[in-house]
Amino acid sequence: NAGVTQTPKFRILKIGQSMTLQCTQDMNHNYMYWYRQDPGMGLKLIYYSVGAGITDKGEVPNGYNVSRSTTEDFPLRLELAAPSQTSVYFCASRFRNEQFFGPGTRLTVL
Amino acid sequence: DAKTTQPPSMDCAEGRAANLPCNHSTISGNEYVYWYRQIHSQGPQYIIHGLKNNETNEMASLIITEDRKSSTLILPHATLRDTAVYYCIVRVVTQGGSEKLVFGKGTKLTVNP
Repeated sequence: NAGVTQTPKFRILKIGQSMTLQCTQDMNHNYMYWYRQDPGMGLKLIYYSVGAGITDKGEVPNGYNVSRSTTEDFPLRLELAAPSQTSVYFCASRFRNEQFFGPGTRLTVL
Repeated sequence: DAKTTQPPSMDCAEGRAANLPCNHSTISGNEYVYWYRQIHSQGPQYIIHGLKNNETNEMASLIITEDRKSSTLILPHATLRDTAVYYCIVRVVTQGGSEKLVFGKGTKLTVNP
């Protein structure tokens, strides 16, 4: 199993641009999560999903959108990038008591 | 949400036990304590979790006080590869049945040769 994969690894955006961060897992997990991590801080939950077609907001959802059309994929959309969205983004899936994290996407908005 | 308090940093000698404390005085009776770690800039890695009994697995031991207001993660024989940020988390279950992990700043553990 590849586990949780994220693309791209790095991205630089200009203010106002949009992009989609991709997240895929091959473990057939129903629960999936998006977090962001600012420098020196812990992770903050953006959105989560309990299964295909079902998503819900976390602590910091403003400026982001998600969809979950399949069990495997959980993309995160930034519509109008702002400097405050400069962060490292982690996707995770959960099985029982353990969340499995991807390697992250480092996003810079200039 | 229950908040956790951890020391910002700790040092440990290689081969010795690392004992990482965590305070969670506002924890509710049905909330679990979880520990994750993050090595360098990688995604966090699950270590262990518990409710009120002490727990042990191949990575670590978790000691939870009887009043559940604090806990200690024990790495019995720390190696250089255990250098990481360790997060103590109180897990919240949402109305929809999913879990929410609220990460603090964690403890930066440095294992020295």
